[in-house]
Amino acid sequence: EVQLLESGGGLVQPGGSLRLSCAASGFTFSTYAMSWVRQAPGKGLEWVSSLRGGGDSSTFYADSVKGRFTISRDNSKNTLYLQMNSLGAEDTAVYYCAKGIDYIYQCIDVWGKGTTVTVSS
Amino acid sequence: DIQMTQSPSTLSASVGDRVTITCRAGQTISTWLAWYQQKPGKAPNLLIQKASSLESGVPSRFSGSGSGTEFTLSISSLQPDDFATYYCQQYYTYPVTFGGGTEVEIK
Repeated sequence: EVQLLESGGGLVQPGGSLRLSCAASGFTFSTYAMSWVRQAPGKGLEWVSSLRGGGDSSTFYADSVKGRFTISRDNSKNTLYLQMNSLGAEDTAVYYCAKGIDYIYQCIDVWGKGTTVTVSS
Repeated sequence: DIQMTQSPSTLSASVGDRVTITCRAGQTISTWLAWYQQKPGKAPNLLIQKASSLESGVPSRFSGSGSGTEFTLSISSLQPDDFATYYCQQYYTYPVTFGGGTEVEIK
């Protein structure tokens, strides 16, 4: 069974940092594009960041997080990461780890259950 | 950025109704469009990719159509399990963008 399990969320003060992890199982992790998508309380879905699979190291970021967030993957550990720095209240959201349908496209066929990030003093 | 505009934002319907949700892209995206269903407190679920390709396991009452800038998601006969929020998403180019969502509520 294909599964994504996020961890690392929590309460952090404004200006702080957090690293999210996503443990993947049930598929050949290295060959698929992976993304982070977030959803602020009571709001819609917002794409955050993606990276391609299949040996392509290309990364992509929403303007709202560019320069503050870094996406990475460890294919040996089947794990996706999101390093989040300089956090602000606007980053408060449920963060979903997401698997693309292939190595390049960000149509998402598998979602994790999400991890909650709350930025507050 | 390609803006995705969904309408309506809220839709009131009864069990058995046919419902249609529209998604408009700010520029042409060919058929690089997906539809997702999300229920409260849950992650989204992929219903349709490539504008009209139904995902395995998704009931056939769901269908998608369109290309270019105009797309629709239709539910032929609304079932109790279908009351949820629906999102379109373009994956033609970065940044990937989602529509604002359509909440389908019980009339």
